[in-house]
Amino acid sequence: GQNIDQPTEMTATEGAIVQINCTYQTSGFNGLFWYQQHAGEAPTFLSYNVLDGLEEKGRFSSFLSRSKGYSYLLLKELQMKDSASYLCAVRPRDSNYQLIWGAGTKLIIKP
Amino acid sequence: KAGVTQTPRYLIKTRGQQVTLSCSPISGHRSVSWYQQTPGQGLQFLFEYFSETQRNKGNFPGRFSGRQFSNSRSEMNVSTLELGDSALYLCASSEGLAGGSYNEQFFGPGTRLTVL
Repeated sequence: GQNIDQPTEMTATEGAIVQINCTYQTSGFNGLFWYQQHAGEAPTFLSYNVLDGLEEKGRFSSFLSRSKGYSYLLLKELQMKDSASYLCAVRPRDSNYQLIWGAGTKLIIKP
Repeated sequence: KAGVTQTPRYLIKTRGQQVTLSCSPISGHRSVSWYQQTPGQGLQFLFEYFSETQRNKGNFPGRFSGRQFSNSRSEMNVSTLELGDSALYLCASSEGLAGGSYNEQFFGPGTRLTVL
């Protein structure tokens, strides 16, 4: 079967750095997405990785290792507004564009 | 460009009733995907429509159905509602271009369905 694992909840301190991990087992691989979802709102796109390595975008970076079926989202200089759920989604090969979604990681930022 | 819109935003129904939800994608997007989201379950894929054809389908019972119109607007219908159908229903639009692996999905605000 196809499976994506993320921690259910994480807590971090304002100004600190946090790493949210995502491991996946899918039938092939054709891209990985990270989305942010604030409570009561729609998910919004953060990053896309299809090749191994680190993609940096301001305070947020996303890393991918295809051989390990592993990705992480790194958030630096945490702000209170970063309190949200972070969703990892993978597009398997030959999936006809369907995404497989993790259950999401709820990140709580404390002052 | 206007974003993805969904109507209604909130809905209360009773068991056994049916419901129709609507989604208007971003102009130019031909793919619309529907998801069910419940606490702790993440996004559960219902189905995806591309150019008026169902291209992908998740593992939901036949009570859940959908369609897409020529203007790419999509509707999903749930018949014989059950208590467990209470959830946030999200639709997402993308270009859905053949051969493109990127195809970022843009989500609408969702419809919160409560079944009593």
